[in-house]
Amino acid sequence: AQSVTQLGSHVSVSEGALVLLRCNYSSSVPPYLFWYVQYPNQGLQLLLKYTSAATLVKGINGFEAEFKKSETSFHLTKPSAHMSDAAEYFCAVSSGSFQKLVFGTGTRLLVSP
Amino acid sequence: EAQVTQNPRYLITVTGKKLTVTCSQNMNHEYMSWYRQDPGLGLRQIYYSMNVEVTDKGDVPEGYKVSRKEKRNFPLILESPSPNQTSLYFCASTSHSGTNYGYTFGSGTRLTVV
Repeated sequence: AQSVTQLGSHVSVSEGALVLLRCNYSSSVPPYLFWYVQYPNQGLQLLLKYTSAATLVKGINGFEAEFKKSETSFHLTKPSAHMSDAAEYFCAVSSGSFQKLVFGTGTRLLVSP
Repeated sequence: EAQVTQNPRYLITVTGKKLTVTCSQNMNHEYMSWYRQDPGLGLRQIYYSMNVEVTDKGDVPEGYKVSRKEKRNFPLILESPSPNQTSLYFCASTSHSGTNYGYTFGSGTRLTVV
């Protein structure tokens, strides 16, 4: 069985500060990992994904994530937060069998001026 | 444009009144699925379909039905909705071609059952 743990239901940063959203996964097979962003009253937008190629994955809007197998982590970072980054972020894992994408409970990012 | 289209976007209904949420994809994907999103719980899979006429239960299938008569369509049916089915619903279709592997989500359907 697969699972995802996102530490911190809310993360607050100041504009210009580093963004770090934590994601740890559990998977008995090599995982595929995803980060999605959800802006208020909108759907899910893919930020980036890891599909067993490069361990450092760059996504849209300046975000990146690093797959660390030894730590079973896939943390999302951005060097400098913008007000427009305020949203809810979901980490998800899949076995690649197409049957299920398992989501974490989400982290709401708050950005203050 | 490759997309997953859900309708309606918003729906308010009364307990027990059957409803259908439609989902259609234009990417010729074989695999489609439905999720519900609830605060503090993230998204949970309701049902999935691996191809036409092939469907199976996800983690929270109770109270829902699906059908897959055509490859592009995967409607979600609530035969007798109850207030605990008030939620935000997402349909997804999946590409499984190598590095293009990924899930495309619809815009969501916000359902309120009163």
